[in-house]
Amino acid sequence: AQSVAQPEDQVNVAEGNPLTVKCTYSVSGNPYLFWYVQYPNRGLQFLLKYITGDNLVKGSYGFEAEFNKSQTSFHLKKPSALVSDSALYFCAVRGNSGNTPLVFGKGTRLSVIA
Amino acid sequence: EAGVTQSPTHLIKTRGQQATLRCSPISGHTSVYWYQQALGLGLQFLLWYDEGEERNRGNFPPRFSGRQFPNYSSELNVNALELEDSALYLCASSLAAGARISLNTEAFFGQGTRLTVV
Repeated sequence: AQSVAQPEDQVNVAEGNPLTVKCTYSVSGNPYLFWYVQYPNRGLQFLLKYITGDNLVKGSYGFEAEFNKSQTSFHLKKPSALVSDSALYFCAVRGNSGNTPLVFGKGTRLSVIA
Repeated sequence: EAGVTQSPTHLIKTRGQQATLRCSPISGHTSVYWYQQALGLGLQFLLWYDEGEERNRGNFPPRFSGRQFPNYSSELNVNALELEDSALYLCASSLAAGARISLNTEAFFGQGTRLTVV
């Protein structure tokens, strides 16, 4: 069965500094990988996805993520953090065949400090 | 275009009662997913429906059940409510192209139903 690990419950970063939110995954076959963001009292918003091709994926709000097959990782990055980026971030994975569900990690709370 | 809509937004039930949560997907989406978001546990996969059929089910007891209607809307039913069922229940929808499920398409989420069991 597929799974996602987000090893950090909380990430703190100063405004203007680069940020990284870590994600590793386990899945049979090739993965489809996703990042979502959740603001307080809101549902999840889609940020970006990796399907195939270039290992660096660009998404909404200046976020990008790097797929690393050998390390089974899909870390979320942003060159310069904003206070408004403070939110809960979820990584998700599904396999590329069968009735494989979309499975999420436990989430990482990002706090950007002015 | 309307997004995924869930009703009610809040629901308070007594232990042992039944709860029914509803979800309307984005127009054109045939896949509907249900997740439970309890404090500190992230999103736990509950159920996945596509084209009216249950495609997969998470590791939840049978008192969690659901269905998908011909118009692709969906219902989640929780019987014999327990205190630990208190959580935010999120519904998401995505495209599914006919007989071939588009696994690489992103899911779009509703705002959720906050279920409180007292």
